[in-house]
This record gives sequence, structure tokens and C-alpha cells, in this order.
Amino acid sequence: EVQLVESGGGVVQPGGSLRLSCAASGFTFDDYAMHWVRQAPGKGLEWVSLISGDGGSTYYADSVKGRFTISRDNSKNSLYLQMNSLRTEDTALYYCAKIGKGDYWGQGTLVTVSS
Amino acid sequence: DIQMTQSPSSLSASVGDRVTITCQASQDISNYLNWYQQKPGKAPKLLIYDASNLETGVPSRFSGSGSGTDFTFTISSLQPEDIATYYCQQYDNLLFTFGGGTKVEIK
Repeated sequence: EVQLVESGGGVVQPGGSLRLSCAASGFTFDDYAMHWVRQAPGKGLEWVSLISGDGGSTYYADSVKGRFTISRDNSKNSLYLQMNSLRTEDTALYYCAKIGKGDYWGQGTLVTVSS
Repeated sequence: DIQMTQSPSSLSASVGDRVTITCQASQDISNYLNWYQQKPGKAPKLLIYDASNLETGVPSRFSGSGSGTDFTFTISSLQPEDIATYYCQQYDNLLFTFGGGTKVEIK
């Protein structure tokens, strides 16, 4: 059974940092590009970032470019999102996902940026 | 960046009705478009990929069409379990964008 389990969310002050993790199981992790997608409370979906299967290529939404860094450790079947210089508008449920045909999504980890 | 304009933002229809949602891209994205369903408190679920291909296990009442800038998602006969928010998503040039979503309710 495929599982994606996010962790690392919490409450942080504006300007602070958090590192999200996503543990993957049940599929060949390094065969697939992986994404982070977020959803602010009561709002729609926003794509955040993509990393290639080998970790060599990364892409970011303009809203997080320069502040967030996506990475992966294929030996640990894990995906990460380092979030720096957090803003109140980064408050959201953060999903780890394999997007597209045969998609897999986690249940999300909540990040709250508030003073 | 490519913008996706999805309409309507919400709709109310009766069981058995045909429901249509449209999505317009700000530039040509070929067929690089997915459609997702999200039920309250749940993660999104892929229904249609590459604009018109039905994901495995998804009921055939769901369909998608279009290419270039204009895309359509259809539920041929609305069922009570289809109550959800639906999103289009483009993936041209490995930068992804979601539409604003369409909340579907039963009349």
C-alpha cells in the first residue's frame, strides 16, 4: 500500500523557519518526481515546489522562490521542504504528493505562521 | 507564469444533471492539464490526466476535453457522492498552477 506521511508542521513566528518531512512507502520512490502543494484554510490548492526523481532538478512557485528549498533523500525514501523567512500568508496545510497519472497524496501537515 | 481561470466558482445541480466546468489557460498548454476532486477534509484525487484521459478506477461519468487554452470537465450524471470541489491544474514547463476551484453542491 502506498503511503505518504508528512510531519514537521507547527506554529512559528513570522520570519521563522520550519522543515517539513514526508516519508514515502509502497512504491519505488526514486522513480518519481515529487511535489509539495499547500492549501490555506478555506482556500484553494497552491502548487509550491517540484523535485525530480534523482533530486537534480528543482522548481518553485514565485511565492516561495528564494525562501523555500525542496530536497529528497532517496536512501531514506524521504522528501523535505525547508521553509525560511516564513510569512503569515504561508499558513496552510502542506501536502506531499506525486502528481499526475497514478497520483499519491499524503494527508498533510499544518503550518501556522503567527505572532 | 501561466494563470488558470476556472468557472464557475460554485454551482448547484440536481442528481442526474449534466455538470460542466471550464478552465482557461493564459497561454497554450497543449494538453498538459489534470482535473482533481477534493472532498472536505480529504486530500485531492486525480480524475482526469492529460486533459482527457480517465484515471484508473474513476467512474466513466467523469470526462475531460480540450487543448491549447480551453478545457472542459463534465460529470454526465451528477451523483450524491460527487459533492466536492473540483480543480484544474496545468503543468507546462514543469511549473504547475491550479485553477481556483469549483464547489459542486446538490440542489
